[in-house]
Amino acid sequence: AQSVTQPDIHITVSEGASLELRCNYSYGATPYLFWYVQSPGQGLQLLLKYFSGDTLVQGIKGFEAEFKRSQSSFNLRKPSVHWSDAAEYFCAVGVGGGADGLTFGKGTHLIIQP
Amino acid sequence: SAVISQKPSRDICQRGTSLTIQCQVDSQVTMMFWYRQQPGQSLTLIATANQGSEATYESGFVIDKFPISRPNLTFSTLTVSNMSPEDSSIYLCSVFPGQGIYGYTFGSGTRLTVV
Repeated sequence: AQSVTQPDIHITVSEGASLELRCNYSYGATPYLFWYVQSPGQGLQLLLKYFSGDTLVQGIKGFEAEFKRSQSSFNLRKPSVHWSDAAEYFCAVGVGGGADGLTFGKGTHLIIQP
Repeated sequence: SAVISQKPSRDICQRGTSLTIQCQVDSQVTMMFWYRQQPGQSLTLIATANQGSEATYESGFVIDKFPISRPNLTFSTLTVSNMSPEDSSIYLCSVFPGQGIYGYTFGSGTRLTVV
């Protein structure tokens, strides 16, 4: 079965600094890969996804992620964070071409320092 | 993309009772997925509902506790039965309409509090 590891439970970043959130997955083939953001009391918002092709994926709000097959990683990056980026970030994998549900990581709580 | 309407958006229920959550999609989809998000936790897949067959449950979830119906390609319900305070969670439905802009689409969730 597939699994997702987000090794950082909390990350604190100063406003304007760069950000990288780590995500590693375990699966025998290349899964679908996703990053979602959830603000307090809000629903899930898709930041970006990878199905195939170009391994550098651009998303909304200035986020990008790079799929590295050799490292089984799909790390999320942003060059300059804003206070509004404070939220919970979830990495997720999907297998079965959409016939199966997603497996989520435990999430990373992002704190932005002024 | 697909648009999902999920209701109720929130409810407070007495222990020992049951709550049925509805999920309506604006397009036909083969699979619908139900998730639970316990307070401060990540999302966990409860089951996959395929129209015309029994839902497939993930380890740790059973049909007696979480019966699911899938009467057609646009609608599904999840019932949380014989509730206890430990069932207090957000319950979300999701679909995968295809490799489009949104990939997996999620409903806005049902915030359940059991007292």
